[in-house]
This record gives sequence, structure tokens and C-alpha cells, in this order.
Amino acid sequence: EAQVTQNPRYLITVTGKKLTVTCSQNMNHEYMSWYRQDPGLGLRQIYYSMNVEVTDKGDVPEGYKVSRKEKRNFPLILESPSPNQTSLYFCASSFGGPYGYTFGSGTRLTVV
Amino acid sequence: GESVGLHLPTLSVQEGDNSIINCAYSNSASDYFIWYKQESGKGPQFIIDIRSNMDKRQGQRVTVLLNKTVKHLSLQIAATQPGDSAVYFCAESSRPTGANNLFFGTGTRLTVIP
Repeated sequence: EAQVTQNPRYLITVTGKKLTVTCSQNMNHEYMSWYRQDPGLGLRQIYYSMNVEVTDKGDVPEGYKVSRKEKRNFPLILESPSPNQTSLYFCASSFGGPYGYTFGSGTRLTVV
Repeated sequence: GESVGLHLPTLSVQEGDNSIINCAYSNSASDYFIWYKQESGKGPQFIIDIRSNMDKRQGQRVTVLLNKTVKHLSLQIAATQPGDSAVYFCAESSRPTGANNLFFGTGTRLTVIP
């Protein structure tokens, strides 16, 4: 089944403790992206990657890192999480650009 | 600044009726629009898209209408079913193919009353 898989689905962590949210797609998509979803703000792009080893900032990149060493994987790294990063995170992929995204099921992160 | 918004945050319709969800955008350079459906506990799911050189596009039970004059987009769902209950997002892009971002609205929650 064609899908984008995120792990974990739920995560509660403490301020400052580094964490990684994994994202993997099995559709051979070149384009991958991370969004966060907050009430009243919709989905906002954090980082995106147009291909292996090519990443760039989205609209809200502060406090996040990403890497794209393989085509299928695009992990989101929070080096020192803070409570304002409590949110619902989505990974998405497509063949080219933000057109016809396939989204993952989301990761709900709580930072206390 | 650029904004993509929705006229109503919630919409309730009777099962079998048609639903219309509206969206306004402010960037006259927007050239690509998408509607997504998000069910509880799931990621957004693509419904239908439309490019700025069109004013109407139809899918299965859904129609998207684009009025560039007033910068308005709507999603029409025919014969609404309980499974249509979800949050619906419009999104737009004003950059050429291969560019990097969609701008999402805040969503409308559609509730279908049996």
C-alpha cells in the first residue's frame, strides 16, 4: 500500500530532551515536507526537501532540523524541544512540489 | 501579506443535501488550488485540485469552483453522506511547478446530520 509512515504517533517529552520524528514513504517520491498543525493556524510548513541531500526552510523552521540522506526517509529533529513546539506534525510527500501531497497520519507531540 | 481563509468555521448539513464550503484567498498571483479532507486522527487527504486557468472542475460527487475576480474558491459536495463529516481545508500556491509550498486555510468542520 502506498503510504507515508510517521513514528511515533504520540510523544510526550520534557523541555530540552532531543527527539526525532521519523517519516518514510514507499512511493519513490522526490519531494517531502514537514508541516505543523495548530488550532486556528492551519498547516504551516517547517522544512521541505526536493531530493536527496537537498533541503530548505519553510515558513516556521526555527527549532527544527531535517536530513534527507535517502529518498524514502525524511526525519524531523528537535535538538532542544520547547513547550511552544507542542503541536500536531505531519509529513507529506509527492512526485514534484506540493502538488497532490500524500500525508502521513500525524505525530502528536507534547513538550512539558 | 498572503492569506487563505474560510468564511465559516463550521457547517452542518442533513444527510443527502448538498454542501458548499467556501474559501477566500488574497494573493492574485495564486495559480493552483487544492481541497483537502481531514478526518479525526488522520492526515489530510487530497480531494480535488484546480489551476487558475480553469473556473470549474468536477470529481466524484465533488465540484470545485474558482472565481478569480473575487478571489473565491468553493467546494461543493453532492448528496452529502455521514462519511463526509470532516474538516475541509483549501490550500493555494502562487509559485511555479516544482516550487516548495502550499498555504493552507484554517479549515471548516463539516458535520453531516443523519
